[in-house]
Amino acid sequence: KNEVEQSPQNLTAQEGEFITINCSYSVGISALHWLQQHPGGGIVSLFMLSSGKKKHGRLIATINIQEKHSSLHITASHPRDSAVYICGQNFVFGPGTRLSVLP
Amino acid sequence: DTGVSQDPRHKITKRGQNVTFRCDPISEHNRLYWYRQTLGQGPEFLTYFQNEAQLEKSRLLSNRFSAERPKGSFSTLEIQRTEQGDSAMYLCASSYFRGGDYGYTFGSGTRLTVV
Repeated sequence: KNEVEQSPQNLTAQEGEFITINCSYSVGISALHWLQQHPGGGIVSLFMLSSGKKKHGRLIATINIQEKHSSLHITASHPRDSAVYICGQNFVFGPGTRLSVLP
Repeated sequence: DTGVSQDPRHKITKRGQNVTFRCDPISEHNRLYWYRQTLGQGPEFLTYFQNEAQLEKSRLLSNRFSAERPKGSFSTLEIQRTEQGDSAMYLCASSYFRGGDYGYTFGSGTRLTVV
């Protein structure tokens, strides 16, 4: 049974800080998925990656297949990055990390 | 491209009633997914279609849940004899994968309240 864990559960940062959100999973079959969900808003797919690293704007996702671990990094964080970040793999998603970026 | 559309946005029903939700995916996307999300949790997988074929169904899904995707276009999710525990946001997503390129889009969801 695939299990996905995320840390931290909650994260508060000051605007401009570098942020890292971690994701661990137990079954390494399919691609790892990162989602963003704003309060009261819809879900946006950020990345799907099977190896290495992907970058989109200020967001960077990395994955270590051997360790079954992925990280989502946000550089130069901004209050509009405040959201819940969810990782998932093989149709199983974690509970998310709630990020608040203060101005 | 209007994204993934879900209808209705909200549904309030009495316990024991049947409800049906509709999802219209992005037309170029051949895969369609149904998820359920409750407060403070990530999306919980329900089922997934590739074109009109239902390829996977969660074991968490009881016999009261059924989904269809006739002709590989829109999809419906039906819940029979609703229970209070069915109250949740029901999310539809569609996707395509071509080589190294992919698109994965969620709809805004249908919020179900069972009273």
